[in-house]
Amino acid sequence: TQLLEQSPQFLSIQEGENLTVYCNSSSVFSSLQWYRQEPGEGPVLLVTVVTGGEVKKLKRLTFQFGDARKDSSLHITAAQPGDTGLYLCAGEIGGTASKLTFGTGTRLQVTL
Amino acid sequence: EPEVTQTPSHQVTQMGQEVILRCVPISNHLYFYWYRQILGQKVEFLVSFYNNEISEKSEIFDDQFSVERPDGSNFTLKIRSTKLEDSAMYFCASSEPGKLFFGSGTQLSVL
Repeated sequence: TQLLEQSPQFLSIQEGENLTVYCNSSSVFSSLQWYRQEPGEGPVLLVTVVTGGEVKKLKRLTFQFGDARKDSSLHITAAQPGDTGLYLCAGEIGGTASKLTFGTGTRLQVTL
Repeated sequence: EPEVTQTPSHQVTQMGQEVILRCVPISNHLYFYWYRQILGQKVEFLVSFYNNEISEKSEIFDDQFSVERPDGSNFTLKIRSTKLEDSAMYFCASSEPGKLFFGSGTQLSVL
């Protein structure tokens, strides 16, 4: 069973601060995805990283895939209240459209 | 923007009853999935479906569960005899290469 551990579990910060969320596993993934989930809704895909060492940017969010493809990080610069939500990483082992193993989640709250 | 649609949004049922959760995937997608999320726990894979057959399933997806694509648009998850521990949010998803799109979920409560 592949496990993805996210840290921290909870994070409460003030607007304007920077933060990093980590996603770690002992398994190697062919790709890793980050999602954001709002209460009562399904996860919404933010980004997919597939190459070891890959860095992708989405406005103030920076995603990195570890060189060994076992871990990933999400860095948010100058957090805003609109960034509040549950952030999930999910790893895929195998080819296209194989199952995703989801991480334990990081709940972020950004206050004014 | 195309989206995955799930109905109903909430379903309450008695233990032992059969339930069918319905999903309309995005029309040009070929891969379909069911995931579930028990309250406070992580999202768990149940089953994937491609070319009118199950391509992969988890240990959770036992003989009580079945999936069907009865026509060209709908994708259903049936639980034959619900148990208390089946209470969860059930998410349908469909995918294009590298991108998975989730529906808003069906909250199933088994009493």
